[in-house]
Amino acid sequence: AQSVTQPDIHITVSEGASLELRCNYSYGATPYLFWYVQSPGQGLQLLLKYFSGDTLVQGIKGFEAEFKRSQSSFNLRKPSVHWSDAAEYFCAVAKRGGKLIFGQGTELSVKP
Amino acid sequence: NAGVTQTPKFQVLKTGQSMTLQCAQDMNHNSMYWYRQDPGMGLRLIYYSASEGTTDKGEVPNGYNVSRLNKREFSLRLESAAPSQTSVYFCASKVAEPEYNEQFFGPGTRLTVL
Repeated sequence: AQSVTQPDIHITVSEGASLELRCNYSYGATPYLFWYVQSPGQGLQLLLKYFSGDTLVQGIKGFEAEFKRSQSSFNLRKPSVHWSDAAEYFCAVAKRGGKLIFGQGTELSVKP
Repeated sequence: NAGVTQTPKFQVLKTGQSMTLQCAQDMNHNSMYWYRQDPGMGLRLIYYSASEGTTDKGEVPNGYNVSRLNKREFSLRLESAAPSQTSVYFCASKVAEPEYNEQFFGPGTRLTVL
């Protein structure tokens, strides 16, 4: 069965430090992968997606993610975190018909 | 464009009461979805509608019904609310094809069942 795992429930980083959020997926076919961000009390906003081609994907707000088929991973990175990046981050894979399977989410806190 | 709108934003029900959560999108999207979000579990799909006139069960459909009223609107009904349905509910929509098109999410409805 398809699944998405985000191993880190909560991460705290200092402002200006680099960030990497982990995502592992289980899916038989070529996956369509997404990262969404949810600010407190808000809906989800797409950061980036991978569907084919270059395995390093650029997104909004300075985020990028790298698809590694051999490791079944799609980790999200940002070189320098800003206080406004504090939010919850969700990795997801699309099933047939476009239905999304989400990971459990990683809550990011940013220390001043 | 308002995008995806949901009403109400907050609701408190007593066990056994019924209610309907409303969702509308103005992006001319074919597909619409209802998710619930619970702490530590991410979002789980309740029901979806691939196109106007069709609906299908998702991962956690028990206790819910849906209606795709027209292309714009997709409602979620709780016939007899239970405390286990306390959650945040999100509606989303997308262009049906290709499958890797992103889903656009509404702001959510926070439901508490006492």
